[in-house]
Amino acid sequence: GAVVSQHPSRVICKSGTSVKIECRSLDFQATTMFWYRQFPKQSLMLMATSNEGSKATYEQGVEKDKFLINHASLTLSTLTVTSAHPEDSSFYICSATGTGDVDSPLHFGNGTRLTVT
Amino acid sequence: ILNVEQSPQSLHVQEGDSTNFTCSFPSSNFYALHWYRWETAKSPEALFVMTLNGDEKKKGRISATLNTKEGYSYLYIKGSQPEDSATYLCASSNRDDKIIFGKGTRLHILP
Repeated sequence: GAVVSQHPSRVICKSGTSVKIECRSLDFQATTMFWYRQFPKQSLMLMATSNEGSKATYEQGVEKDKFLINHASLTLSTLTVTSAHPEDSSFYICSATGTGDVDSPLHFGNGTRLTVT
Repeated sequence: ILNVEQSPQSLHVQEGDSTNFTCSFPSSNFYALHWYRWETAKSPEALFVMTLNGDEKKKGRISATLNTKEGYSYLYIKGSQPEDSATYLCASSNRDDKIIFGKGTRLHILP
């Protein structure tokens, strides 16, 4: 149980275009979803926390107008990288929790490798 | 800001041998410690979530201990198998609800 599906797994886009990444909880209701970015040999860095039906909370240094997060339902959150640039190339991964409590395990998607040319 | 450190960064272990690695975290305001296994091309899988000092959890050949006073957790793997090859992530959270990840320990099991 507790499966999270993330699409696409890999995307290549041209500089200046926007890319949307979807994260779906398949068999549970995700009250809270987290979006992370990982650069090579670095740890997963939390970008933002989204709760269903409310605005996402962004971490310091993450531009909310560049990384648009929508959590419109209890099973779907999307991250849109707007006007992507080569420095946005990275590995993006989502996780979800049904309770929102920090002592509950996180359920992760498979991640999205974004390459901006 | 939490700083979660994992060591070693990478580890090669002969099949059948037992091994362990470390996660250290700030002990002040500690709330929960997570361990995940992340196999290549798959999603991270939750192994344990621990909150109490002295807690010890076990899942098959894998176990973990927690020392919240000194700020460390050990993950042990007994009788390593090829399927144990993965990156093991540790994450700590405080009462401010932020879960911070370490860089992981990359485990390679040698046949």
